[in-house]
Amino acid sequence: EAQVTQNPRYLITVTGKKLTVTCSQNMNHEYMSWYRQDPGLGLRQIYYSMNVEVTDKGDVPEGYKVSRKEKRNFPLILESPSPNQTSLYFCASSQGQGVGTEAFFGQGTRLTVV
Amino acid sequence: AQTVTQSQPEMSVQEAETVTLSCTYDTSESDYYLFWYKQPPSRQMILVIRQEAYKQQNATENRFSVNFQKAAKSFSLKISDSQLGDAAMYFCAIPYGKLTFGQGTILTVHP
Repeated sequence: EAQVTQNPRYLITVTGKKLTVTCSQNMNHEYMSWYRQDPGLGLRQIYYSMNVEVTDKGDVPEGYKVSRKEKRNFPLILESPSPNQTSLYFCASSQGQGVGTEAFFGQGTRLTVV
Repeated sequence: AQTVTQSQPEMSVQEAETVTLSCTYDTSESDYYLFWYKQPPSRQMILVIRQEAYKQQNATENRFSVNFQKAAKSFSLKISDSQLGDAAMYFCAIPYGKLTFGQGTILTVHP
């Protein structure tokens, strides 16, 4: 089954404790990205990757890191989480960045930083 | 850059009736698409319907249809014969490189 898998689905952590949210896709997609969803703001792009070893900032990259060592995996790293990073996070993948290309989303990770 | 605005934070509808969710957008591109995503309580993002900007005919997918007004930059979603399973958050989005989303509209369906 074609899918994007994120883990964990729920995470509660304390301020400053490094964490990683994993994302894996099995569709051989080139393009992957991370979004965060906040009430009243919709989803906003954090980082994206057009291919292996190629990553770039989205609209809200502060406080996050990513890596793309393999085509299928695109982990999101919070080196020192803060309460303002409490949010719902989505990983997405697509075949490319072409006009109208559909993105496929993971199930989301609800992160709470206390 | 693209912007998308959904001015209705919440909407409600009675089962079997029709509801329309509003979306306005802005883009400088001439060739683009518009999407509506559904996010049920499971949090899964589901693409409900898409519209190609150069097509004058409004897209339709079963009970879901759009009213695309290109000059007004408006892209509303109409849900006919609403069902309890339609209850969700709905997002309007422009896929151009990244996805640019609106703020979302929570739809409640009353039995």
